[in-house]
Order: sequence, then C-alpha cells, then structure tokens
Amino acid sequence: EVQLVQSGAEVKKPGESLKISCKGSGYSFTSYWIGWVRQMPGKGLEWMGIIYPGDSDTRYSPSFQGQVTISADKSISTAYLQWSSLKASDTAMYYCARRSSGWTPYFDYWGQGTLVTVSS
Amino acid sequence: NFMLTQPHSVSESPGKTVTISCTRSSGSIASNYVQWYQQRPGSAPTTVIYEDNQRPSGVPDRFSGSIDSSSNSASLTISGLKTEDEADYYCQSYDSSNWVFGGGTKLTVL
Repeated sequence: EVQLVQSGAEVKKPGESLKISCKGSGYSFTSYWIGWVRQMPGKGLEWMGIIYPGDSDTRYSPSFQGQVTISADKSISTAYLQWSSLKASDTAMYYCARRSSGWTPYFDYWGQGTLVTVSS
Repeated sequence: NFMLTQPHSVSESPGKTVTISCTRSSGSIASNYVQWYQQRPGSAPTTVIYEDNQRPSGVPDRFSGSIDSSSNSASLTISGLKTEDEADYYCQSYDSSNWVFGGGTKLTVL
C-alpha cells in the first residue's frame, strides 16, 4: 500500500527556520516525483514545487522559488520542505503528494498534511 | 502562465446531478489534461478524475469529467448526489513545468 506520512504540526516564531518531512513507503521512492502543495487557512491549493528523489532534480513554482527549499534523502525514502526564515504568511497546511507515473502530471497519492503555524 | 477559474460554490439536493466548471484563461483547455481533486473537510485531497475523464480505481462512476473547447473549460459532473460528496473540488492542469490549480468550488449537498 502506497503511503506518504508527514511530520507533525509545528509552531514557530517569525525568523526561525523549519524543515518538515514526508516519508514514502509501499512503492519505489526513487522512481516517482514528490511534490509539495500549500493551503493557507480557508484558501485553495497552491503548487510549490516537485523533486525526483532518484537524482534530486527539483522544479519550483515561480511563486515559491527562493522562498523554500525542497530536498530528498533517498536512503530513508523521505522528502523535505524547508524554510530558512519563516514569516507569519507561511502559516498554512502543507501537503506532500506523489506524482503519477504516466506522462500526465497529477498527484495520485497525498500525505496527511503538516500544519505550520508562525506566530510571535 | 494561465489561470483556472471555478465557481466559488454550488449546491444541489441529494440524488440530483451537479456540474462544476473550470475555465482556462489562456491557451487551449485541450492542450493539457485536466484533473479533479476532492477535499473533504479536515482531510487531504484525493483524485477523482485524471486526464480529463479517467476515474482512478475506487472512484464511483457517478463522477465524470469532460472538456469543452468552445468554452475553453473542463467540467466535473457528479450524478446521484450523496451527502458524502459534500466537499471542496479543485481542477488542476499544467503548462511546461508549472502546475496550476483552480481556486476550488465548495459543493453543498442539502
């Protein structure tokens, strides 16, 4: 069974750094892209970027380029999303999701989400 | 880049049929496949339609998708509405290496 299990909720202060994780199991982790999606409170889904754990090839949405870093450690089947200096506007639910294997880019499996709260 | 525009909300009664639209702002709707995701309150999204009209295994055939080039839009149709269908629905497509989500439509089944 394919599973993406994300790390737990975080409460941080503005300016702090943060790295959240997404561990894949039940499939070949290195053979599928993993993406990250932001959902701000009461708002819709926003595509942030995607990584191929097999060779760490990473693509970012122009809206998030330079704001976050996406990485992966294939030895432990885990993808990461990190911030070097959080802002209050980073408060959101963050989902990781697996890109389907076919030619069409869409997410076929999703993590449960990690709630990040940034408040002074 | 393009945008995908959805109605903010729709509502319909149990047993009826509802259609949610997703209009592409520029470029042809037919040039890249459209997907639909369902997000129930407090849950992660799940895929209900991919590649315009394909249903993942486990998704009931009450869910169907289509595209209309004349209106440059995609549609998600849910027939035989059930209260469990009450959720937010998002369309998604892509352009070169950028993925785009629609703003989401809240479906109320009352």
